[in-house]
Amino acid sequence: GAGVSQSPRYKVAKRGQDVALRCDPISGHVSLFWYQQALGQGPEFLTYFQNEAQLDKSGLPSDRFFAERPEGSVSTLKIQRTQQEDSAVYLCASSLGPFSYNEQFFGPGTRLTVL
Amino acid sequence: DQQVKQNSPSLSVQEGRISILNCDYTNSMFDYFLWYKKYPAEGPTFLISISSIKDKNEDGRFTVFLNKSAKHLSLHIVPSQPGDSAVYFCAASVDSGAGSYQLTFGKGTKLSVIP
Repeated sequence: GAGVSQSPRYKVAKRGQDVALRCDPISGHVSLFWYQQALGQGPEFLTYFQNEAQLDKSGLPSDRFFAERPEGSVSTLKIQRTQQEDSAVYLCASSLGPFSYNEQFFGPGTRLTVL
Repeated sequence: DQQVKQNSPSLSVQEGRISILNCDYTNSMFDYFLWYKKYPAEGPTFLISISSIKDKNEDGRFTVFLNKSAKHLSLHIVPSQPGDSAVYFCAASVDSGAGSYQLTFGKGTKLSVIP
C-alpha cells in the first residue's frame, strides 16, 4: 500500500478484556516498530521486529503485552486483561532498514480506551 | 528519566515570521536527531533530521541546528505558514544493542501560526 495502515482506528474495551491491534507496514519494509503514546506525551517504544524476528521487546510494559509478525509483514499487538492505564494511542512504524538514517513511517494509530 | 525534553508545550507565531522550536537531550550516545510533525488523528510524519556529526541541516523552509556541547537542538521554520500549525516532536535514536534504532521522543510542542 501507499503507507502504513492500522486497524481498528478506535477500540473501546472493558477492563479485563483482551484486544488485538493490527499493523500493515509498507511493502518491503524490513523493520517494524510499535510505540505507545499516552495523552500529552510523546510516543514511547514498545517493541521492534526485523522481518519476522522480534529483536527487542524491552519497552513492553508487562507480560500482558505480546506482539508478533509471523510472516515478516503484518504485525499484531495483543494486550491481555486490559487495564485503564493501557488507554493510549498505539502507533506502528515501518522502515526499509534498521539503522538510524532509515526513516520510520508511522501509521495513523489505534486509539484504545479501557473503561 | 526523560532523555529528550521539549520544555515549551506550545508556541504561537505570526504568519511570515520565524518559528523556533527547542529540544534538549541528556544521552550523549544519541547519534541521530529527527523532527516529526503531527496533525490530529494522524501518525507523526518525518520532517527533517541531522546526524550527530553535523551541526546544521537545511531543507527548504526548515533548518535544524545541533549543539552537541550543550546537548541542544532547535528547528527553525522560515517563513512560518498557517499550514505549519501542528504538534512537533523532537526525537533521537541510538543503537539499542538489540539490532534496532528505536526513537526516543520528547513530549511535543504545539505550534500555532496565526494568519
